[in-house]
Amino acid sequence: GAVVSQHPSWVICKSGTSVKIECRSLDFQATTMFWYRQFPKQSLMLMATSNEGSKATYEQGVEKDKFLINHASLTLSTLTVTSAHPEDSSFYICSGSRVVLDTQYFGPGTRLTVL
Amino acid sequence: AQKITQTQPGMFVQEKEAVTLDCTYDTSDQSYGLFWYKQPSSGEMIFLIYQGSYDEQNATEGRYSLNFQKARKSANLVISASQLGDSAMYFCAMGSGAGSYQLTFGKGTKLSVIP
Repeated sequence: GAVVSQHPSWVICKSGTSVKIECRSLDFQATTMFWYRQFPKQSLMLMATSNEGSKATYEQGVEKDKFLINHASLTLSTLTVTSAHPEDSSFYICSGSRVVLDTQYFGPGTRLTVL
Repeated sequence: AQKITQTQPGMFVQEKEAVTLDCTYDTSDQSYGLFWYKQPSSGEMIFLIYQGSYDEQNATEGRYSLNFQKARKSANLVISASQLGDSAMYFCAMGSGAGSYQLTFGKGTKLSVIP
């Protein structure tokens, strides 16, 4: 149980375009979903936390107008990277947790390359 | 502020031997959770084990055990009977706060299992 999927698994886009990444909890309802980014050979950095039906809470230094997060249902959250630039190239990973103080279960990640 | 320190960038272990991966943490919270995740080269984060700050016994999950020493603020992961498939990055993480845990990750330890 506690499986999370992400789509797409990788994407290459041109600079200036927008990219949407989907995160789905397949066999549980994720009250809270988290979005992380990971640069090569580095650790995961939390970008934002979202609760179903409410606005996401962004970490300091993360531009909320650039990284749009929507958590419309208990099984789906989306991250849209708007007007992507090469410096946005990274590995984006989402996670979901079922209830308060629950373990986070991670998706397989999406590798974004902006040319 | 929370901080996770993993002092071993890389570790080698002989197949079938046990290995300990170090993790120390710093927090002013009274209630928190400690997690270990495995990240193989594919990128997905695999949950291994959890220890709550008020748990009196060390957590165990199959070949994984967590050596929790609260006074020393350490939460080392012990992997017994190492297998070749254990070669991966291992991240220690801490979560606390109201609502779902927000995780702070250490920099990780790359474990290589030698046949």
